[in-house]
Amino acid sequence: DAKTTQPPSMDCAEGRAANLPCNHSTISGNEYVYWYRQIHSQGPQYIIHGLKNNETNEMASLIITEDRKSSTLILPHATLRDTAVYYCIVRVGAGANNLFFGTGTRLTVIP
Amino acid sequence: NAGVTQTPKFQVLKTGQSMTLQCAQDMNHNSMYWYRQDPGMGLRLIYYSASEGTTDKGEVPNGYNVSRLNKREFSLRLESAAPSQTSVYFCASTPLTVTYEQYFGPGTRLTVT
Repeated sequence: DAKTTQPPSMDCAEGRAANLPCNHSTISGNEYVYWYRQIHSQGPQYIIHGLKNNETNEMASLIITEDRKSSTLILPHATLRDTAVYYCIVRVGAGANNLFFGTGTRLTVIP
Repeated sequence: NAGVTQTPKFQVLKTGQSMTLQCAQDMNHNSMYWYRQDPGMGLRLIYYSASEGTTDKGEVPNGYNVSRLNKREFSLRLESAAPSQTSVYFCASTPLTVTYEQYFGPGTRLTVT
């Protein structure tokens, strides 16, 4: 599986968009990008995933560069409840049977 | 639905003691997983069960055993606890192995002294 690189921490003002970057320069053609978050030591929560097209759901948007070497998770209007650690994971194929979590980005939403 | 439940929430063991962590899901999922998370670290997979009756090792299986008791329940056993097993343990499940989203339980905080 490709390794991912994320900044250890970021701040975002409440109500503004939070843009969380992830580098995965060694990603293979069949590897998906997943995003999860973990709020204050709770179990991780799935956010979104994608292969090469941009994706959007009710929680977030995922922008994947054309060369697929990096991606950005966008929370369009961050709230205090979005304060969490965000994990970017790449995994071969559509299966999620073995997710390798790194240390993620700690996002702090500031009032 | 309760989703994924784990018991106990907290546990303190002495070195050498044994215990079983329980996990159950009520979503009729086929696949279940056990992870551990050490302070400041991401999650690491211990064991998983792709379907009832099967189990496989993950990244860090040493010192653990698992049992897929039925479709709902997947237990993790520490036969002889060591301080290095002090961690937070998370159970997760998915409808199938070929799926995008894992559903996680609230975790069990284990301290081994």
